[in-house]
Amino acid sequence: ETGVTQTPRHLVMGMTNKKSLKCEQHLGHNAMYWYKQSAKKPLELMFVYSLEERVENNSVPSRFSPECPNSSHLFLHLHTLQPEDSALYLCASSQDPGPRNEKLFFGSGTQLSVL
Amino acid sequence: DAKTTQPNSMESNEEEPVHLPCNHSTISGTDYIHWYRQLPSQGPEYVIHGLTSNVNNRMASLAIAEDRKSSTLILHRATLRDAAVYYCILRDIGGADGLTFGKGTHLIIQP
Repeated sequence: ETGVTQTPRHLVMGMTNKKSLKCEQHLGHNAMYWYKQSAKKPLELMFVYSLEERVENNSVPSRFSPECPNSSHLFLHLHTLQPEDSALYLCASSQDPGPRNEKLFFGSGTQLSVL
Repeated sequence: DAKTTQPNSMESNEEEPVHLPCNHSTISGTDYIHWYRQLPSQGPEYVIHGLTSNVNNRMASLAIAEDRKSSTLILHRATLRDAAVYYCILRDIGGADGLTFGKGTHLIIQP
C-alpha cells in the first residue's frame, strides 16, 4: 500500500465513450502526476500538477483532459480515444516537484483497453 | 535531462548480492541520480537517490563513481521478491518537473 489509490483498476471503453480515471493520495503531498505505460515502451510523463496548478503538459493530445480539484485528488478525463491509447495509466504523488523532494509514490494503475 | 544506459536484463541467484550498473557519461553537476523499480503488475517504487556521495537505506545502497559518470545500485542479498525492472534516472535541478523513465534493467532472480 503506497498511499496512492487509483480507480478503476481495469477499464474497457469504446472510441466514442467518455470515461474518467480517478487518483487519490493520502500522503499530504503537494504534487501529483499522470504517466502512461504502453506495452514494451518506457513510462511517459503526461501531466504534472503542483498545488492544484498544472505545471507540465508533455504534448498530450486534447482527448486526455486532466483535472486536479484539490491536492489529494487527480482525474484524467477521457473522450474519443483511439485503440493506440490502450495502456496502463499510472498516477503518482510527491511532497513537492523538484529533484530534491521528487520521491514519487505510484498507484497500481488503471489498465485501459480501447476497442 | 541527461541520458542513462543500463543493460536490458541481468540474472542473479537468490541470497546473493546484485550489482546493477548505470552509465551516465553526460551527467551534469546538478543532476540527481534516482533509482526506481517496478514489480510485475504494479506501479514503480522508489528505491534510492543521491547526488555525489554513496547512499544507503533499508532497501539498497547506491555507489556513485568519483567522476559521477556511472553508478551502481547494490542489493545486498537478493530475494525472489526483488525480481523487477530497475530504472536509473537523472533529474536535473533546473529541469522540468517529473521523472523521465527509460527502459531499465529487467532483473531475474533464480532460486
